[in-house]
Amino acid sequence: GAVVSQHPSRVICKSGTSVKIECRSLDFQATTMFWYRQFPKQSLMLMATSNEGSKATYEQGVEKDKFLINHASLTLSTLTVTSAHPEDSSFYICSARAEYSLSYEQYFGPGTRLTVT
Amino acid sequence: GENVEQHPSTLSVQEGDSAVIKCTYSDSASNYFPWYKQELGKRPQLIIDIRSNVGEKKDQRIAVTLNKTAKHFSLHITETQPEDSAVYFCAATVANFGNEKLTFGTGTRLTIIP
Repeated sequence: GAVVSQHPSRVICKSGTSVKIECRSLDFQATTMFWYRQFPKQSLMLMATSNEGSKATYEQGVEKDKFLINHASLTLSTLTVTSAHPEDSSFYICSARAEYSLSYEQYFGPGTRLTVT
Repeated sequence: GENVEQHPSTLSVQEGDSAVIKCTYSDSASNYFPWYKQELGKRPQLIIDIRSNVGEKKDQRIAVTLNKTAKHFSLHITETQPEDSAVYFCAATVANFGNEKLTFGTGTRLTIIP
């Protein structure tokens, strides 16, 4: 089956620093990947849609200059949290749909737990 | 945009009994409705999905029903087992093999009592 990986799985950083999270589709190509944020005991909230070769589309209320997204290839999207603050601490999850698939199914990465101290 | 409501937020069921989780959506154009199971600290796992051209779909102990007129869909788990304990999310989207942005419900924490 389709596999999506994320790296790192956990990261602790100091307030004011930047953190990069990678999302990879291991056995399929994905023109589009999605980035979600999930706070404890809450639902998944879509942050942005990452498009290969073009700018990401951000959801309302998500600061594009704070959450930089780069979709450099058909198998890799990165999310960089810039000038991180404690309120950015959350579980970040990416997802992707297999290109040319007849299924609408999206495959999720294992998530990255970010803790900002 | 789409808005998905999910009920109940918590559900406790005796092992072997059935569990039902309900969701409503607002966008009549939505045509794809997946259900995900998420264990603590893990990724959401698709357990079943349904497209708008179908009213019901079943996979062993799990079934989903869709009422397009009323804009609601439900997850049914029969013969529940302890390993069914998890958080379940419904979602909805307008799917057209393009940018299918999923809108998730608020989640239901299901606990199976042995």
